[in-house]
Amino acid sequence: DAGITQSPRHKVTETGTPVTLRCHQTENHRYMYWYRQDPGHGLRLIHYSYGVKDTDKGEVSDGYSVSRSKTEDFLLTLESATSSQTSVYFCAISEVGDFGTDTQYFGPGTRLTVL
Amino acid sequence: GDSVTQMEGPVTLSEEAFLTINCTYTATGYPSLFWYVQYPGEGLQLLLKATKADDKGSNKGFEATYRKETTSFHLEKGSVQVSDSAVYFCALSNNAGNMLTFGGGTRLMVKP
Repeated sequence: DAGITQSPRHKVTETGTPVTLRCHQTENHRYMYWYRQDPGHGLRLIHYSYGVKDTDKGEVSDGYSVSRSKTEDFLLTLESATSSQTSVYFCAISEVGDFGTDTQYFGPGTRLTVL
Repeated sequence: GDSVTQMEGPVTLSEEAFLTINCTYTATGYPSLFWYVQYPGEGLQLLLKATKADDKGSNKGFEATYRKETTSFHLEKGSVQVSDSAVYFCALSNNAGNMLTFGGGTRLMVKP
């Protein structure tokens, strides 16, 4: 258990509203990631962070922003939600685990529905 | 850019059958390769990994061998159980930021 929580776990919102998803970790890992999961696409990287206030874009970053003001929290914001952003969002962290370096561990996910 | 291709599902097997889920990749250099599993309603869990050519990753009866010559990392299990029913994702990591590139996932259904 890598101590990752996500909130909320489920959210329904309307088109055009801002939405913020939170990822919280308890073990001070440097790297944190946001992915979205859609049928047939697997998981795709939205943004990632390599330290406090250090973030970068992933494959599908349009319409999303992130912030990391503390090591333990990584926030994902949908600035103006659209129906195409209906998805399941996963946060992940990197740590040195049983399998060696570069292993990512995932949170439980947030299911977001944009009406 | 990097990409991962895995067989489309669903794959339906009877209990105790042999499982193979194919995974091939395209990447420059020497990526690390992973299999993740997602049980219904849950997040992804690391199943196994391999970091260099000819490495074999194994866990819970599952195995996969990193074949650089065929750019493949096929997942196998000799005797599946109903509890193995899940979605399996092949992925690679090929960068300093450890970002993962995933395949589309393969749903496995095991019937008693």
